[in-house]
Amino acid sequence: GEDVEQSLFLSVREGDSSVINCTYTDSSSTYLYWYKQEPGAGLQLLTYIFSNMDMKQDQRLTVLLNKKDKHLSLRIADTQTGDSAIYFCAGATSGGYNKLIFGAGTRLAVHP
Amino acid sequence: KAGVTQTPRYLIKTRGQQVTLSCSPISGHRSVSWYQQTPGQGLQFLFEYFSETQRNKGNFPGRFSGRQFSNSRSEMNVSTLELGDSALYLCASSLGQPSSGANVLTFGAGSRLTVL
Repeated sequence: GEDVEQSLFLSVREGDSSVINCTYTDSSSTYLYWYKQEPGAGLQLLTYIFSNMDMKQDQRLTVLLNKKDKHLSLRIADTQTGDSAIYFCAGATSGGYNKLIFGAGTRLAVHP
Repeated sequence: KAGVTQTPRYLIKTRGQQVTLSCSPISGHRSVSWYQQTPGQGLQFLFEYFSETQRNKGNFPGRFSGRQFSNSRSEMNVSTLELGDSALYLCASSLGQPSSGANVLTFGAGSRLTVL
């Protein structure tokens, strides 16, 4: 089955760019998602990318997908303290598109 | 447009009891999915309901069950609670059938269950 791996912790200075990485095992993953979770809250969808795309940009967020290496990254430009949260990548196949397989989450800490 | 509403937000139960959690999806959404989040296992898929039918199921014991009503509201039930069932239970709703593009899941704030 699908397995999704992420590094667990990232610390960046305010104003710098953050890059959160994710690898997945199932090449049939059709959509790959990035979610954000703040303390005590549910999951907020940040962005997603279809498997036939290499890159997607959405304001401060850039998603890069390397299908050959099954590697996904989320870049946050001009990181702010409000970006401090846990970031999850998740994959879904075309047959089970509501059955997301999540990584363990990357805790992003933004310091002044 | 109201978001996904989960009730109750917090609850405490003792081992052996049973619990029912409720999820009201976004208006017009026909699919409701449930996820369990624990520090040890992370986010795990429980099941998904679409038009009152279970469409997908995760790898959880039969003590975990759910249902969906004709208005798309969903409930999940956990019987004979164990300490390990302590978790944040998240519900997500979606249109359920993507015409084009991703089938975007919108999550509720979750129900935090503590089993003593």
